[in-house]
Amino acid sequence: QQQVKQSPQSLIVQKGGIPIINCAYENTAFDYFPWYQQFPGKGPALLIAIRPDVSEKKEGRFTISFNKSAKQFSLHIMDSQPGDSATYFCAAKGQAGTALIFGKGTTLSVSS
Amino acid sequence: DTAVSQTPKYLVTQMGNDKSIKCEQNLGHDTMYWYKQDSKKFLKIMFSYNNKELIINETVPNRFSPKSPDKAHLNLHINSLELGDSAVYFCASSQGAGGQPQHFGDGTRLSIL
Repeated sequence: QQQVKQSPQSLIVQKGGIPIINCAYENTAFDYFPWYQQFPGKGPALLIAIRPDVSEKKEGRFTISFNKSAKQFSLHIMDSQPGDSATYFCAAKGQAGTALIFGKGTTLSVSS
Repeated sequence: DTAVSQTPKYLVTQMGNDKSIKCEQNLGHDTMYWYKQDSKKFLKIMFSYNNKELIINETVPNRFSPKSPDKAHLNLHINSLELGDSAVYFCASSQGAGGQPQHFGDGTRLSIL
């Protein structure tokens, strides 16, 4: 019940394409859903986050779609660029004092 | 100005040794974390401290002992290192222990020979 399932494991798109990464969770106590981006040799960096009271959030080229009834959320990257090539992690968290649970990551390659 | 800094960046050592990793944050946050990232890039929480108090202690062997001397520092000491401890260890911090952004350091890559 503590898992966050992320798919696909890897994704290759052409420049300008719209990669979509999906995540699903079981624990209805989760109330914070961030996405992190990680480049080789670096720590994960927060990209965008959403709470379950909204169905969509957009920041620049990154959009989270959230479906509370289906317990699923996804990341869309508009007009993807080679510089977006990285590993993306979804995560979920409940109340204070509980752990941030990460998905297994998606390696994205954007070809020019 | 690095927000969350870890030292050392690389640690290569023999099985059975004891080693420490240090973490410091200059963001003024009150909560700090240790994560382990394995060779498949899976990230898992190990420990979390809020205002120097341990609030998360996942199922980690007791060879791992965190210490938070103050809110800005969180160190990780590992006794009797084993081959399976090889991984990248990340320190992170946040303001509050709820759903707030966590800021990660660049990791310490631990390799056990």
